[in-house]
Amino acid sequence: GNSVTQMEGPVTLSEEAFLTINCTYTATGYPSLFWYVQYPGEGLQLLLKATKADDKGSNKGFEATYRKETTSFHLEKGSVQVSDSAVYFCALKTGGFKTIFGAGTRLFVKA
Amino acid sequence: EAQVTQNPRYLITVTGKKLTVTCSQNMNHEYMSWYRQDPGLGLRQIYYSMNVEVTDKGDVPEGYKVSRKEKRNFPLILESPSPNQTSLYFCASSFGSERGQPQHFGDGTRLSIL
Repeated sequence: GNSVTQMEGPVTLSEEAFLTINCTYTATGYPSLFWYVQYPGEGLQLLLKATKADDKGSNKGFEATYRKETTSFHLEKGSVQVSDSAVYFCALKTGGFKTIFGAGTRLFVKA
Repeated sequence: EAQVTQNPRYLITVTGKKLTVTCSQNMNHEYMSWYRQDPGLGLRQIYYSMNVEVTDKGDVPEGYKVSRKEKRNFPLILESPSPNQTSLYFCASSFGSERGQPQHFGDGTRLSIL
């Protein structure tokens, strides 16, 4: 079956550090890949997405590239801010009505 | 403003007392879904609906009911809540089932069943 595995947290960084959150997936068919972000007390919001191999999704300084050969969609940001502290979810969708989410990675950014 | 609205945001109740969590979206989305979020497990789908009067089970449907009588509303019903249903619940909607369509989430409902 389809699944998403992302690195366990929490991840603690100092402000302006480089961020990588690893995400790998297993899927039958050709999925679209997403990163969602959940700020404290809020629901998930779409951060970025990619729908085909080698596509790069980007938003708010975050980037992720759809790597079909390594079945990965790692999230990166060059310089994190305190306001980036949140839980990040990697997810995939192959069509139909199911989105598969990873377990989430909590990020703490210290000033 | 486009949004998914859930109520209540917080609820503490007792085992066996029926409760309903409401969900409403103002984006004319066909697809709506309920998830529960538990530590270390991510989001697990409870039920989903493809359109009015069309619903189906997700991965963890036991102990829950849903209905879709209007396009905008998709309430989650716990007929006889139990402590293992203590969780954070999210309603979500999207335009359709195409694989590139993201979901729009409500702010969540934290349920505690004593």
